[in-house]
Amino acid sequence: DAKTTQPPSMDCAEGRAANLPCNHSTISGNEYVYWYRQIHSQGPQYIIHGLKNNETNEMASLIITEDRKSSTLILPHATLRDTAVYYCIVRSPDSNYQLIWGAGTKLIIKP
Amino acid sequence: ETGVTQTPRHLVMGMTNKKSLKCEQHLGHNAMYWYKQSAKKPLELMFVYSLEERVENNSVPSRFSPECPNSSHLFLHLHTLQPEDSALYLCASSHRVGWEGYTFGSGTRLTVV
Repeated sequence: DAKTTQPPSMDCAEGRAANLPCNHSTISGNEYVYWYRQIHSQGPQYIIHGLKNNETNEMASLIITEDRKSSTLILPHATLRDTAVYYCIVRSPDSNYQLIWGAGTKLIIKP
Repeated sequence: ETGVTQTPRHLVMGMTNKKSLKCEQHLGHNAMYWYKQSAKKPLELMFVYSLEERVENNSVPSRFSPECPNSSHLFLHLHTLQPEDSALYLCASSHRVGWEGYTFGSGTRLTVV
């Protein structure tokens, strides 16, 4: 089972910031939080990952709460091309290779 | 184009056919993966290769047979598949196993009839 909980869908207006929440209340101290997105008919695309500190790159920002039980992915100026399913993933401690994928959040950017 | 190329993009095969899916990356990555994405289901990891050696087989039926002849190429050989094997098959690579962000290909949409 996925170790994260995300809303199934969200809308956001074009040009506004899209804030995607994720709960991972059972996360262990050495587990990273990863975010990927999957645009229709394409493979998933890596966005960002973090452990404790907030992270930012050219695509997005990742805000992790101090207790690490939840995080938020922020797309600062959403465009129509950001419409996709966004996956929040915590690496499984059971295997070095597995990212346990859930159902993700379907983000729809509206003009 | 992500740097991971999968061919073919679409494949329809009968249950008695034998076919192969191909994946190629020239990113200098040492780890390659096969994933399965069925309709309305999360991605499932199938196989993991590190430096051409299989390091994980996630209880995948033997009708799926992976091959990694070198660090740039990965194949998935298919034989006597079932209709429930119809899915999007995704290849991914990473610098090393487990820790890095994966680069995925666009996938092969497989339909078994």
